[in-house]
Amino acid sequence: GGIITQTPKFLIGQEGQKLTLKCQQNFNHDTMYWYRQDSGKGLRLIYYSITENDLQKGDLSEGYDASREKKSSFSLTVTSAQKNEMAVFLCASSADRGSNERLFFGHGTKLSVL
Amino acid sequence: QQQVRQSPQSLTVWEGGTTVLTCSYEDSTFNYFPWYQQFPGEGPALLISILSVSDKKEDGRFTTFFNKREKKLSLHIIDSQPGDSATYFCAAKNTNTGKLTFGDGTVLTVKP
Repeated sequence: GGIITQTPKFLIGQEGQKLTLKCQQNFNHDTMYWYRQDSGKGLRLIYYSITENDLQKGDLSEGYDASREKKSSFSLTVTSAQKNEMAVFLCASSADRGSNERLFFGHGTKLSVL
Repeated sequence: QQQVRQSPQSLTVWEGGTTVLTCSYEDSTFNYFPWYQQFPGEGPALLISILSVSDKKEDGRFTTFFNKREKKLSLHIIDSQPGDSATYFCAAKNTNTGKLTFGDGTVLTVKP
């Protein structure tokens, strides 16, 4: 088996600050994802990457940047944190994007902006 | 416009009872429907999934039903256990585009 490790677990930022979230996977999966989860809401896709150095925008990419410099890692940057923003950011990976795709998720980074 | 709608938002059942969660969708190009289970403080994990060519899939106490004509699916949990208390997300995927869309989730509480 493998594991998805997200760091940090908790992130407190200031309004306007640039914040970076990191994700590592040891499944050797090609595809990685960043989702945002707001309380009481479903998961919304921010960015995904189908291979090293590839980046694809999701539905919620505005205000975020991403980087996939290695197959095993995928980072997400909040370019300017919004005051009172609170959400959980989930990283996931999968072996392929075809039928029966199975996503493996990390435990999330909980963001609070003061 | 929400493409995948789940109901109810929350549900409480007694231990041993049957839980029924439902999901509806609009886009007829969706053809793969996974259900994810999420415990507090953890990421979601795949519970069960079904392709649009099937109408039922069973895995132990968990069964998902799919109705293509009505664009609806459901998740049934028999003999519900307190350990089943979690948030359940249905999702829908167009395997041509690869896009996966999640519902807002149902928070299930199973009381002993």
